[in-house]
Amino acid sequence: GAVVSQHPSRVICKSGTSVKIECRSLDFQATTMFWYRQFPKQSLMLMATSNEGSKATYEQGVEKDKFLINHASLTLSTLTVTSAHPEDSSFYICSARGQDGNGYTFGSGTRLTVV
Amino acid sequence: GNSVTQMEGPVTLSEEAFLTINCTYTATGYPSLFWYVQYPGEGLQLLLKATKADDKGSNKGFEATYRKETTSFHLEKGSVQVSDSAVYFCALGGRYGGATNKLIFGTGTLLAVQP
Repeated sequence: GAVVSQHPSRVICKSGTSVKIECRSLDFQATTMFWYRQFPKQSLMLMATSNEGSKATYEQGVEKDKFLINHASLTLSTLTVTSAHPEDSSFYICSARGQDGNGYTFGSGTRLTVV
Repeated sequence: GNSVTQMEGPVTLSEEAFLTINCTYTATGYPSLFWYVQYPGEGLQLLLKATKADDKGSNKGFEATYRKETTSFHLEKGSVQVSDSAVYFCALGGRYGGATNKLIFGTGTLLAVQP
């Protein structure tokens, strides 16, 4: 079945630094990738949608200059949290959708802690 | 706008009890409906899905029926196990109202099954 690898699974960084999270589709071509942020008490918030080779579409209220998304190939999308602050600490999850449009496969998530 | 509403948790049951987690949706067009499960510290896994009205999705003893007349997709399981303890997310995705691709989640329901 479709597999999405998300890396790293956990990262601790200092306030003011940038962190890059990778999301790779291992056995299919992901024409669309989604990035979510999960808040305490489970709530999942869609941050942005990215299509390969084009700029990401950000949801309302998400700072595009802070959360940089790149989808340069059909198998890789990256989320860079720039100038991270403690309030950016969260669980970030990516999801990929293939060319056939069937199903959404999720990565295992990244726990970001900014200290 | 398009949205998913699911019952708040936590839901606490004894082993072998019957489970129902309610989910209703609002959408234009013809969305697909999904249930995802998230175990502690992990990403989301697809549990089951239904792509059109009256479809029943089923997996691992869980099932849900796509009811267009009541705009619902309630999750049920006849006999829960301790290993079913997780957070369950109802989601809406696919083509609806002219938009494509976005997967919209409910807030998640924590299920705790006690031995």
